[in-house]
Amino acid sequence: DAGVIQSPRHEVTEMGQEVTLRCKPISGHDYLFWYRQTMMRGLELLIYFNNNVPIDDSGMPEDRFSAKMPNASFSTLKIQPSEPRDSAVYFCASSLASEANTEAFFGQGTRLTVV
Amino acid sequence: ELKVEQNPLFLSMQEEKNYTIYCNYSTTSDRLYWYRQDPGKSLESLFVLLSNGAVKQEGRLMASLDTKARLSTLHITAAVHDLSATYFCAVGATRISNFGNEKLTFGTGTRLTIIP
Repeated sequence: DAGVIQSPRHEVTEMGQEVTLRCKPISGHDYLFWYRQTMMRGLELLIYFNNNVPIDDSGMPEDRFSAKMPNASFSTLKIQPSEPRDSAVYFCASSLASEANTEAFFGQGTRLTVV
Repeated sequence: ELKVEQNPLFLSMQEEKNYTIYCNYSTTSDRLYWYRQDPGKSLESLFVLLSNGAVKQEGRLMASLDTKARLSTLHITAAVHDLSATYFCAVGATRISNFGNEKLTFGTGTRLTIIP
């Protein structure tokens, strides 16, 4: 398996524009997580899905952020409108519910810069 | 609210020396994870610790978990340069189902630099 695949790897956009980040989880995994990493706040969980259903979005910073998972192999995180303080690295991770091992596997991340 | 604290935040070590990174967390959990992150890269899973007293070793790294003390340690033995990275511990405290996965709360990370 190619692992968790995120696109784009880098995104530079102007303030006010819409940004869409994409994620393809590992095939067969039933949990998908979106994290944000910044120097100031470290790694923060934004939202996670189980079997394509959003379970907890309490980490989503504000209404400008939304996430969807239309099927088991694809998820998007959208920011509209974007602001400079949204600049961060956004990671997607997936895992498989199992008693033995529940580690999450991370994608390469999308480095977002809002100018 | 679950809080996860790591110390030290920064660590410069000479090669061949030993050191320990500490991870304390604030609420009961029996699942703890260690990840490694190289600059500009993703997070790589190192260890999964699933019970009190669990100890796992891989090469020069050894991780342990004491759930009573709410403490995990990552011990580095005879450090070498390629261990330079940022190390994160993460605690799973909200079990989604009986055998389900959990939200991970990450520590602040320890930036380890090995000096020749």
